[in-house]
Amino acid sequence: GENVEQHPSTLSVQEGDSAVIKCTYSDSASNYFPWYKQELGKRPQLIIDIRSNVGEKKDQRIAVTLNKTAKHFSLHITETQPEDSAVYFCAASWTGANNLFFGTGTRLTVIP
Amino acid sequence: DTGVSQDPRHKITKRGQNVTFRCDPISEHNRLYWYRQTLGQGPEFLTYFQNEAQLEKSRLLSDRFSAERPKGSFSTLEIQRTEQGDSAMYLCASSLAGAGGTYEQYFGPGTRLTVT
Repeated sequence: GENVEQHPSTLSVQEGDSAVIKCTYSDSASNYFPWYKQELGKRPQLIIDIRSNVGEKKDQRIAVTLNKTAKHFSLHITETQPEDSAVYFCAASWTGANNLFFGTGTRLTVIP
Repeated sequence: DTGVSQDPRHKITKRGQNVTFRCDPISEHNRLYWYRQTLGQGPEFLTYFQNEAQLEKSRLLSDRFSAERPKGSFSTLEIQRTEQGDSAMYLCASSLAGAGGTYEQYFGPGTRLTVT
């Protein structure tokens, strides 16, 4: 099955700086890569996703890049704000798969 | 609220008791998933339904676990003879799946189970 690794496990940045979280996956068949944000005690919230037919996708301050050859994808948050503090999970799946395979999460702390 | 809802939000039970959780998906979604999340880990897949049919079960889903989605709408997850190792957050997600492939999964708030 798919194995998703995520780094770093914790990340602290100053407000206004950028944050980058990286994930690698093992199954070359994977073609769907969502990112979830989970605040303490709350549900995982889908914030952005990318499919393998594109290399980059942006939505305001967040962007995701995908390198299919190297089997890794990254989340980029620019101009970080304290409300960006949360645990971020990457995941991978493929067409016809019935579940998402999640990374172990990155706890992001934005220091005001 | 048109999102995924789960009930109860918290459940404390004694080892050996049975518990049942409920999930109400987004109304037009035909797929419903159950995941388990332990502290410091990402969600792990347990099982999923397409309409009322349970189509896949993870090896994590022991014989003590059973899930139903009788009318293709809400779903229940029952754990029999609970063990301390069952303590976790149980998350439900739903999606709209079609011929196009994988679709976005939206999660509920979860049921936190504590087995004492």
